[in-house]
Amino acid sequence: GDSVTQTEGLVTLTKGLPVMLNCTYQTTYSPFLFWYVQHLNEAPKLLLKSSTDNKRTEHQGFYATLHKSSSSFHLQKSSVQLSDSALYFCAWNNNNRIFFGDGTQLVVKP
Amino acid sequence: DMKVTQMPRYLIKRMGENVLLECGQDMSHETMYWYRQDPGLGLQLIYISYDVDSNSEGDIPKGYRVSRKKREHFSLILDSAKTNQTSVYFCASSLSEQHTEVFFGKGTRLTVV
Repeated sequence: GDSVTQTEGLVTLTKGLPVMLNCTYQTTYSPFLFWYVQHLNEAPKLLLKSSTDNKRTEHQGFYATLHKSSSSFHLQKSSVQLSDSALYFCAWNNNNRIFFGDGTQLVVKP
Repeated sequence: DMKVTQMPRYLIKRMGENVLLECGQDMSHETMYWYRQDPGLGLQLIYISYDVDSNSEGDIPKGYRVSRKKREHFSLILDSAKTNQTSVYFCASSLSEQHTEVFFGKGTRLTVV
């Protein structure tokens, strides 16, 4: 069935290091993928989105590229900051049936 | 200002009491959602509403019902709350288009004792 998978539940990094959060999806439809970020005690909000194969999309220093060949939409940042500590969700929208991954908690240490 | 508003933000109820969580949005979005969020379980979809009186079950509808009598309002009702319904509940809304983002409210933290 249709699904979104995030393999890491928790990622802990030191400030300034690069990060990649994994996201893969399974669907028979044309995918539109999203990354949402949720800071502590706040609502999830959109970070970035894409439906274009092999095109990098960027926002607030984060970037992701949709690869339909591998059904992936990994989130990356070249240098994480303390303020990036949050819960990150990968999601896919099919006619308003939105599939969220289980989320990856990113903890950035000084 | 695009906003999803949830009331109340915090709620403590006794087991067996009825619970009403209310949600409003000012964006005229057709689609609205109720999710619950528990540690380690991500966002679990309870119900979707595609418009007034057009509601569908999500992944975990048991123990919940919803009401949508106006496009801008979507209520979640727990008849006879249970302790395992202690959670953070998020309401969200979106346009009825595939590429559109979902806007979330700030959540209601419900504790059933």
